Amino acid sequence: QKEVEQNSGPLSVPEGAIASLNCTYSDRGSQSFFWYRQYSGKSPELIMSIYSNGDKEDGRFTAQLNKASQYVSLLIRDSQPSDSATYLCAVLVGGTASKLTFGTGTRLQVTL
Amino acid sequence: DGGITQSPKYLFRKEGQNVTLSCEQNLNHDAMYWYRQDPGQGLRLIYYSQIVNDFQKGDIAEGYSVSREKKESFPLTVTSAQKNPTAFYLCASSMTGGYGYTFGSGTRLTVV
Repeated sequence: QKEVEQNSGPLSVPEGAIASLNCTYSDRGSQSFFWYRQYSGKSPELIMSIYSNGDKEDGRFTAQLNKASQYVSLLIRDSQPSDSATYLCAVLVGGTASKLTFGTGTRLQVTL
Repeated sequence: DGGITQSPKYLFRKEGQNVTLSCEQNLNHDAMYWYRQDPGQGLRLIYYSQIVNDFQKGDIAEGYSVSREKKESFPLTVTSAQKNPTAFYLCASSMTGGYGYTFGSGTRLTVV
């Protein structure tokens, strides 16, 4: 079982809709969770971090964490064509200070 | 402005040649990392360093070497022992303690 799993997609949503991206992780000791956005040919950019159960909102982005079920999700409201990118989930695995494990990413396509 | 700088942006390596990728940060981060990304795949950890003069192997360290003589700098050498070096190389840095990474813009290495 991979440590961090994501559906590779592509996930296609129409402009203005809500995009929902999911990620599961295997290590129950994981403490910190991050979402990165990566445009084609570019480096990843941190867009959200979440450390405790529940929701965290930042503009059009909402990160959701459920440690009991070992999943973290990212909601993008009012999706725009500029949101089309690959979204990487990253988890700080317990016992390995400051070393993130990344999922393989979900490709999001926002259609006009 | 604080940031992390990778150079060169593109690099071509001949068979049997060692090449060195530069990574410099002025964020005062203690930890630095090197990842490799192949087309359509996730990030794989090559080496990481959490303190000057100390570094650890990641998941795919064979054929690579690093040094950490200064807090700001973490160069990666791709040696001739690395048989399939063509990839996108990403350097990142972070504060210790479970924070997200800041990535450089990457170096695209191609074997010719």
